[in-house]
Amino acid sequence: SQTIHQWPATLVQPVGSPLSLECTVEGTSNPNLYWYRQAAGRGLQLLFYSVGIGQISSEVPQNLSASRPQDRQFILSSKKLLLSDSGFYLCAWGTGGDDGYTFGSGTRLTVV
Amino acid sequence: AQTVTQSQPEMSVQEAETVTLSCTYDTSENNYYLFWYKQPPSRQMILVIRQEAYKQQNATENRFSVNFQKAAKSFSLKISDSQLGDTAMYFCAFMRGNTDKLIFGTGTRLQVFP
Repeated sequence: SQTIHQWPATLVQPVGSPLSLECTVEGTSNPNLYWYRQAAGRGLQLLFYSVGIGQISSEVPQNLSASRPQDRQFILSSKKLLLSDSGFYLCAWGTGGDDGYTFGSGTRLTVV
Repeated sequence: AQTVTQSQPEMSVQEAETVTLSCTYDTSENNYYLFWYKQPPSRQMILVIRQEAYKQQNATENRFSVNFQKAAKSFSLKISDSQLGDTAMYFCAFMRGNTDKLIFGTGTRLQVFP
């Protein structure tokens, strides 16, 4: 069966520090991968998606970047965090069509 | 661009009663999918129910059912026999047929009272 792992679960980082959040998928090949951010009391905003190794599409301009070094690995990064980067980050994978997405358990990031 | 609107930020219902959560969307596409996701306090996103736009029959999953009105671009979720475990944020989502990108509404917080 397919599973998705996301870590860390929580993270507190100072302003200006770097960030690396990792997401891996098991049990499937060539998945579409997604990073979403959920700000407090708001919906989910799509940040990045990837349809293959090295292929990254950005949905919104921001302080973050994403990479996909391996087929089932998706990394969200920042060189210098801002206070506004605080939020709940969710990784997801999908195969298209009516299956929707399977989400990871999320990372709560607090920038202080 | 496609948009998804959930006009009820918060709802409450008594245990065993029925509640309906509203969702409307805007698209010019004919081929798309609609979803309801549940996010309990653990914040894990759980797929509740899905609907293909080309199917006229409303989807049903146990106590969860939808009222899909394609012409009105409405996709409401009905929860029957509400249980305490149904307490969660509920998100309506839209996916255009050939893009595989899910667009979410802002969510409805549902509280089930004993």
